[in-house]
Amino acid sequence: DPKIIQKPKYLVAVTGSEKILICEQYLGHNAMYWYRQSAKKPLEFMFSYSYQKLMDNQTASSRFQPQSSKKNHLDLQITALKPDDSATYFCASSQDRANERLFFGHGTKLSVL
Amino acid sequence: GQQVQQSPASLVLQEGENAELQCNFSSTATQLQWFYQSPGGSLVSLLSNPSGTKHTGRLTSTTVTKERRSSLHISSSQTTDSGTYLCAIDPNTNKVVFGTGTRLQVLP
Repeated sequence: DPKIIQKPKYLVAVTGSEKILICEQYLGHNAMYWYRQSAKKPLEFMFSYSYQKLMDNQTASSRFQPQSSKKNHLDLQITALKPDDSATYFCASSQDRANERLFFGHGTKLSVL
Repeated sequence: GQQVQQSPASLVLQEGENAELQCNFSSTATQLQWFYQSPGGSLVSLLSNPSGTKHTGRLTSTTVTKERRSSLHISSSQTTDSGTYLCAIDPNTNKVVFGTGTRLQVLP
């Protein structure tokens, strides 16, 4: 059973629209993250949360907004979508920020037309 | 410059052969992990090895922290080992940085 659930697995959106990527983890971890993997680029850190608080933000655009309604949830809202946002978005978690052994979800593959 | 460099970029083996993957990093790493990314895209943590040598199954990782390098040895490769192997470090910033990976193809 997957312990980090991401929904949806695939997502197609039109330019200018808004989408929310869902992530829930059932590992009892305190830290959660978002990473992005674009074509031919390494996995790229976006955000980290610890105990539902934003700790690090490496994303320049305010169009990307993480939302944590519960300790084990970290959703990612993306507004005014652009074709360059097309990528696979991975949610990850770790026990806490000091122990960075990461566990990943299966990703949401976003295509912006 | 790129903080984590992996070599080779790609590798083709016959089943049963061994593989040696390299990871070099430009910053001090407080944490180092090896991941496997399947052809379908899912990511699995293989080993956490910030220093020394660790074994799990057919995998052996050796990290020499002072020299800022790590290796992943896969013994007796199988076709199911095919995929991309990623090295990732935490350069003491709590932001894990990934390499571009080594794409391994194991032929039957």
